[in-house]
Amino acid sequence: GAGVSQSPSNKVTEKGKDVELRCDPISGHTALYWYRQSLGQGLEFLIYFQGNSAPDKSGLPSDRFSAERTGGSVSTLTIQRTQQEDSAVYLCASSPAWTGLSSYNSPLHFGNGTRLTVT
Amino acid sequence: KNEVEQSPQNLTAQEGEFITINCSYSVGISALHWLQQHPGGGIVSLFMLSSGKKKHGRLIATINIQEKHSSLHITASHPRDSAVYICAVTYNFNKFYFGSGTKLNVKP
Repeated sequence: GAGVSQSPSNKVTEKGKDVELRCDPISGHTALYWYRQSLGQGLEFLIYFQGNSAPDKSGLPSDRFSAERTGGSVSTLTIQRTQQEDSAVYLCASSPAWTGLSSYNSPLHFGNGTRLTVT
Repeated sequence: KNEVEQSPQNLTAQEGEFITINCSYSVGISALHWLQQHPGGGIVSLFMLSSGKKKHGRLIATINIQEKHSSLHITASHPRDSAVYICAVTYNFNKFYFGSGTKLNVKP
């Protein structure tokens, strides 16, 4: 079946411009995560959406970063006034609802990421 | 904050060797996830564990809840196993906390 889809796969932008990154999660998955990975570094948590609950924004590095998830499906990560340190691969992941520890056996599914380069 | 430590950071092995990658975490968790990131960035899920042991092909994952430690083993390693292996934990099935990854290079 279809996996997590991210677009664009690559984005080059000038410093100071705004960018939007899109994530289409697996159909029916209630949880959606945004992470970023700088060159040679590990995964950095950005934001988490779970169903209709208020998102966990604790990982967003500055107020230039925002994300929304419309209709509980597609999500958009927006970076305003991009800076060179924003250059990274932005990864989206989704997972199905957790209905109890004994039944939770479906892991995270990652998209292929958007490589953002700020020049 | 749940600190997740992986070791080693880098590992080079000869084809056929038995490989162990370790993950330790600092507080009680609900589940631990092993992921594989291939060169080029794609991340795939290997295992999700809350206790005991899981096996899939040449891969074996174990977790010791009391010791807050998990290991990922690869038997009869092959060059195609070369990748970054990432451990992630969650204590409420909300946010996942990631280790920094172990970069494995299996030489033919």
